[in-house]
Order: sequence, then structure tokens, then C-alpha cells
Amino acid sequence: DSGVTQTPKHLITATGQRVTLRCSPRSGDLSVYWYQQSLDQGLQFLIQYYNGEERAKGNILERFSAQQFPDLHSELNLSSLELGDSALYFCASSLYPGLAGVSSYNEQFFGPGTRLTVL
Amino acid sequence: DQQVKQNSPSLSVQEGRISILNCDYTNSMFDYFLWYKKYPAEGPTFLISISSIKDKNEDGRFTVFLNKSAKHLSLHIVPSQPGDSAVYFCAASADSGGSNYKLTFGKGTLLTVNP
Repeated sequence: DSGVTQTPKHLITATGQRVTLRCSPRSGDLSVYWYQQSLDQGLQFLIQYYNGEERAKGNILERFSAQQFPDLHSELNLSSLELGDSALYFCASSLYPGLAGVSSYNEQFFGPGTRLTVL
Repeated sequence: DQQVKQNSPSLSVQEGRISILNCDYTNSMFDYFLWYKKYPAEGPTFLISISSIKDKNEDGRFTVFLNKSAKHLSLHIVPSQPGDSAVYFCAASADSGGSNYKLTFGKGTLLTVNP
């Protein structure tokens, strides 16, 4: 158990709908990352938050958005869903995202994922 | 453009022997490298990491080697056990300024350890 929780575990919805995925980081971790894993792709970085602020964006579609709340939990919102959005969505957290100019302490701990199926 | 490549989608090894998983990268800005293990229906689990200032890091049965000039790293598992059967992801991180340290992952190698 990594200490990162994600809800729901499974989500089945229809095209055009909107869903919200939720993530609670490990106790004390300030940084939250969202990743997408599709069938034929590895883990693709979507977005990072650090202490409530957006820090980095990866291959995140404009239809997707995220936020990190004061209690450090994060939500990923996916709207106007398409069939191709079906994937595993992972949340990860880390304590200090880099220290002294070297990416030390950047071990990210992953939650169990949310499997999204768009029909 | 795939910056982290794991060219072997799968590897099969006999129990007790050495497993060697390879990873190549193209971005010279990467300064931290990690290996994750993933079982079906679970999230990736952190295994071992190495900073670019080192060329070797060891943790029990797991050793990661980094060859910066070749932009290559490898994970050695000795001895391999059936419970090691999983997908192994190589990942890399770079200081992109501020607190931005996203991980760039390879596509993974499925390791099967046969009893």
C-alpha cells in the first residue's frame, strides 16, 4: 500500500459526459501528479500540482482540467469524453520534488488507479 | 518523440538466474532515473533509483547501473524469483525549473520468471 488513494476504482460512462477522478496523496506529500496509461502507450504525464499550484503540464487535453485543494487532495476533471479517453488514470505523490538542483527525493508513489471506460 | 525507450517488450528468465532489463534515453537533461514495478490491476511501485552523479546503486537483489555517456541504464535482479514477474518501467526526471519534476516513462518490459 503506497498510501495514495484514488476513487473511484472503476468508472463507466458515455461519450460526451463529464467525470471527476479524485486523489488523496500520502500524508505529508505536497506534490501530486496525474498520469494516463492507454492500451498502447506507456504512462503519459498529464499535469503536476505542488502545494496547490499548477507546476507543469504534459500531454493534457484542453477538455481535461485538474486542481489541488488546500487539504492537498486533487481532482482530475475530464469533460466531453470520447472513446479514446478510455484508459487507466494514475495519481502519484511525492514529498520534495527535487532538492538542491538534483531531482533527488523525487520518488513518486502511485495510487492504484482509476479505470475509465467510455462507451 | 520517445525520450525513454525500453526496446524489449518482454523478457523470460529462469528462477535463480539474473534478469537484466535495459533502458535508453535521449534527453541529456535527465538527472535522475527510477525503476518501477507494476503488477496487473495495481499502480506502479517504486523499486530503485539513481542520480546522474552515480553509476551504480544497489538495494538487496536489485542493482541499477547508469552509463551516462551511452545514455543507458539497466536493472539487474539477482537471483530472480517468480514473485518478480511483473512489468518494469524505466523513468527519468529532469530539473525543469521551480518544482517541476515530471517523470518520463518508457513503455515497460514484461518480466516473467519461470520456476
